[in-house]
Amino acid sequence: GIQVEQSPPDLILQEGANSTLRCNFSDSVNNLQWFHQNPWGQLINLFYIPSGTKQNGRLSATTVATERYSLLYISSSQTTDSGVYFCASYGKLTFGQGTILTVHP
Amino acid sequence: GAVVSQHPSRVICKSGTSVKIECRSLDFQATTMFWYRQFPKQSLMLMATSNEGSKATYEQGVEKDKFLINHASLTLSTLTVTSAHPEDSSFYICSASSVPANYGYTFGSGTRLTVV
Repeated sequence: GIQVEQSPPDLILQEGANSTLRCNFSDSVNNLQWFHQNPWGQLINLFYIPSGTKQNGRLSATTVATERYSLLYISSSQTTDSGVYFCASYGKLTFGQGTILTVHP
Repeated sequence: GAVVSQHPSRVICKSGTSVKIECRSLDFQATTMFWYRQFPKQSLMLMATSNEGSKATYEQGVEKDKFLINHASLTLSTLTVTSAHPEDSSFYICSASSVPANYGYTFGSGTRLTVV
């Protein structure tokens, strides 16, 4: 099956900083999703982005399907952005190992 | 739209008992639901795919007799952990996608199971 690798595994930021999270795939994917898991375990759908670029407020994502990667951009980070960020590919969702983001005030 | 409700959010049970977890799609019909397990500080591991009106498809290494899945309607899937043991303690999450899946998968809020 498809392997999903995320980087970096951990990221510590000061509030207000920008960051880029990356997701690499071992094979071509037709669909991709980014999630944020909050400290209570709830998974929040950030982007469904099989290709191209989408933006939602301070977050944006870009997927280059032909090169098998996707990027999640977080601008002007806030403490509420802390948590784990996962990307996943499907058919059946295959998750990366996640990036643990900690934003300090 | 696209809300998935999972219940209970937290359950503690004794070894040897069974626990049922419900996953409901509230505002859409879900022909397919998925069950995941997550250990602390780890990613989500797909356990099984639940299809309405048919038997679930289990991932390799998942005991289908221990983790019983029923998808009796287009809005409800259940996971029953039978004869629970402490090693079954984990965070279980369901997800669903409507047909067509043009907005991706939506997840329930998860169930934290503790077997004592």
